Amino acid sequence: SQQGEEDPQALSIQEGENATMNCSYKTSINNLQWYRQNSGRGLVHLILIRSNEREKHSGRLRVTLDTSKKSSSLLITASRAADTASYFCAPGPGGGGFKTIFGAGTRLFVKA
Amino acid sequence: GAGVSQSPRYKVAKRGQDVALRCDPISGHVSLFWYQQALGQGPEFLTYFQNEAQLDKSGLPSDRFFAERPEGSVSTLKIQRTQQEDSAVYLCASSSPGRASGGGDTQYFGPGTRLTVL
Repeated sequence: SQQGEEDPQALSIQEGENATMNCSYKTSINNLQWYRQNSGRGLVHLILIRSNEREKHSGRLRVTLDTSKKSSSLLITASRAADTASYFCAPGPGGGGFKTIFGAGTRLFVKA
Repeated sequence: GAGVSQSPRYKVAKRGQDVALRCDPISGHVSLFWYQQALGQGPEFLTYFQNEAQLDKSGLPSDRFFAERPEGSVSTLKIQRTQQEDSAVYLCASSSPGRASGGGDTQYFGPGTRLTVL
């Protein structure tokens, strides 16, 4: 099994600012995914980065992966009030494993 | 269907009652996961199915929890003799194995069932 630990636990920013969230993990991974969860809803997949990739972009999202440091970051640029949510990283286990263990997440609050 | 659906969305049970929570995964998805999410926490893994086979049930908190997926599609999570500590949101997710099988694949989550045990 593999757990991601998100940092910070909570983040409050003004609309238009950038938000950066970090994730650390302990063992080897196949890939790493980021999910968002709005209050009272299920998780929504945002982006997947493979272990042989260092950076990936999707719209206003930028994800980096440093396998030597076993860490990843999620950057949301030009944040909007609608980005207010909890964000979770999910390290995809290597070796054909399937158990995904989520951390407590980062709670992002974007003030309008 | 278009996504993962779960029913009921909300369930209130008296302590000691049995409950059954249903998950309809995306059609054709081989993998199915159940998670328990307490307020303010991340989802905690309960169990994993590959088709009808329950490959991991290590996250089930006690023998009061039981999950099944008899035909490899719809799954039911049953909780017997509910306790107050069972109050949580129960999330179901499904995925279709890609190059990274099982947990490394993108999981599609349902909206969850909020269980409140009085």
